[in-house]
Amino acid sequence: SAVISQKPSRDICQRGTSLTIQCQVDSQVTMMFWYRQQPGQSLTLIATANQGSEATYESGFVIDKFPISRPNLTFSTLTVSNMSPEDSSIYLCSVVTGTRSYNEQFFGPGTRLTVL
Amino acid sequence: RKEVEQDPGPFNVPEGATVAFNCTYSNSASQSFFWYRQDCRKEPKLLMSVYSSGNEDGRFTAQLNRASQYISLLIRDSKLSDSATYLCVVNLGSQGGKLIFGQGTELSVKP
Repeated sequence: SAVISQKPSRDICQRGTSLTIQCQVDSQVTMMFWYRQQPGQSLTLIATANQGSEATYESGFVIDKFPISRPNLTFSTLTVSNMSPEDSSIYLCSVVTGTRSYNEQFFGPGTRLTVL
Repeated sequence: RKEVEQDPGPFNVPEGATVAFNCTYSNSASQSFFWYRQDCRKEPKLLMSVYSSGNEDGRFTAQLNRASQYISLLIRDSKLSDSATYLCVVNLGSQGGKLIFGQGTELSVKP
């Protein structure tokens, strides 16, 4: 499977500020996604990061709050804008490598965000 | 009704026990099925894909029943290192790679 890294691994931020999370993969991947895992909860898909075009957002998530970039096949960023304490979560990117038809997804190590 | 529902946990079992996790999904159009394992404060890791014919990987056996929309995971001879949260995951396929996660079942294997 691909090696996926995320930066930062954790951060503590003030209310009203923004944080950009980076996801880097060591090989080209067909699909990249961003998920959120709130405390004590399972994962929820935020959006599909599309290479060279606007991301596709799931219900309840909007571009103004979670702008996403994917300039190439190995890199994506997620920004959490105008943060509030409710945004405190783990944010994970995932990838589909495309080497298997079963669309198995592999996750980065996550970014643990705390908003004060 | 949740899209993916799992047994409520936690499961506390002794080493060597056999433990079974059950999962149901609501969307009959679901195309791919997985079990992920998530350790505390770590990212989910793919444990097994679940094939229509069922599949086995060492001590782990996964079964799929499309008619009943039911997925299971059986762990035999459980080890202390099996302690984790097990996530049942479904891919709708038609929406690209969207994964729907169950709430997870926590397993604790005791000596």
